[in-house]
Amino acid sequence: EPEVTQTPSHQVTQMGQEVILRCVPISNHLYFYWYRQILGQKVEFLVSFYNNEISEKSEIFDDQFSVERPDGSNFTLKIRSTKLEDSAMYFCASSPGQGMSGYTFGSGTRLTVV
Amino acid sequence: KQEVTQIPAALSVPEGENLVLNCSFTDSAIYNLQWFRQDPGKGLTSLLLIQSSQREQTSGRLNASLDKSSGRSTLYIAASQPGDSATYLCAVATTDSWGKLQFGAGTQVVVTP
Repeated sequence: EPEVTQTPSHQVTQMGQEVILRCVPISNHLYFYWYRQILGQKVEFLVSFYNNEISEKSEIFDDQFSVERPDGSNFTLKIRSTKLEDSAMYFCASSPGQGMSGYTFGSGTRLTVV
Repeated sequence: KQEVTQIPAALSVPEGENLVLNCSFTDSAIYNLQWFRQDPGKGLTSLLLIQSSQREQTSGRLNASLDKSSGRSTLYIAASQPGDSATYLCAVATTDSWGKLQFGAGTQVVVTP
């Protein structure tokens, strides 16, 4: 069964450093998403992306965050200057169309900011 | 703003019992509702997707119902097994924001042998 692949599975970074989280969505999917889950809290929406543009973003997704589809297969989330509160599990997801077939999530990247 | 609540927060049952997990949402203008399973420290595995026009979906031992008018969905797991132990999450997309899932906090299930 097709999967959404995320790398790395765990990343430790120093406060103030830039990090890039990588995702390979399912190949025929057109819509891409990032979510995060702070330990012990709900999964939260960050951003959706379609046709090389951000479709929607949450209030969490401020100027520190950016997304990019640098080529035909990868989808990245960049955090420019990490803060301690950015420590969370970050999930990438994709869907073939406007959610009618549901959303497939990756296994996540655990980001630890020290 | 859509709020999604899951009750109970935790549930422990002996193997073989049926599980009933509840999800409620405040905005009935939903696009779809999806149930996920999350194992500790792991990703989200999709279990069932219910479109707004559907009343229920079934897959094996799993059955999910949807009642938009009352703002509720219920996930039934028949004849529970220890391997069903996990956290079950309910997520709702609304019609004005179909790409944005609002998640509940989950129900943590333990099935004892």
